[in-house]
Amino acid sequence: SQELEQSPQSLIVQEGKNLTINCTSSKTLYGLYWYKQKYGEGLIFLMMLQKGGEEKSHEKITAKLDEKKQQSSLHITASQPSHAGIYLCGADEGSGTYKYIFGTGTRLKVLA
Amino acid sequence: DGGITQSPKYLFRKEGQNVTLSCEQNLNHDAMYWYRQDPGQGLRLIYYSQIVNDFQKGDIAEGYSVSREKKESFPLTVTSAQKNPTAFYLCASSSRGMNTEAFFGQGTRLTVV
Repeated sequence: SQELEQSPQSLIVQEGKNLTINCTSSKTLYGLYWYKQKYGEGLIFLMMLQKGGEEKSHEKITAKLDEKKQQSSLHITASQPSHAGIYLCGADEGSGTYKYIFGTGTRLKVLA
Repeated sequence: DGGITQSPKYLFRKEGQNVTLSCEQNLNHDAMYWYRQDPGQGLRLIYYSQIVNDFQKGDIAEGYSVSREKKESFPLTVTSAQKNPTAFYLCASSSRGMNTEAFFGQGTRLTVV
């Protein structure tokens, strides 16, 4: 079965610093989703990537899917305390069952 | 406003009791999902439904049951057979098809004492 591995598991950065979170799949990705979760709350959709080499941005967050479609990175520029939370990558399982699988998440803390 | 509503947000139950978690969506989505989230383990799929009156087991279905009698509703029952029911439960929905994102509810934290 397909698995998503995220790194790092946790990250503490000073406000204003840039950071990158990685998501690596054991199989080819057919659709890769990035979500943000605040502790004890639901997941908020950030963006979706489909094509190899695709890159999308939303405010100060940029996500990219590599050409081979087995790894995605999420980059935050000039981090702010509002960026703190858990970032999860998710993917279509690809078996035609319309199931989603998720990585274990990266917990981000931004120090003011 | 369109969205997914889970209730209650916090739930406490005594060991051995069944408990039902509610999930309602008004997004007109065909597919609905239940996930369990434990610290350090990400989201694990319990059950999913692609259409009314049909549902399939996910990776950790033992000790849980669901129904899908209406398109808008997908309640989850945590039975006394579930050995470690204390967890954060998330409901999601999506349009059927590849490359469509899932929308999540705010979650229900279940504590069994």
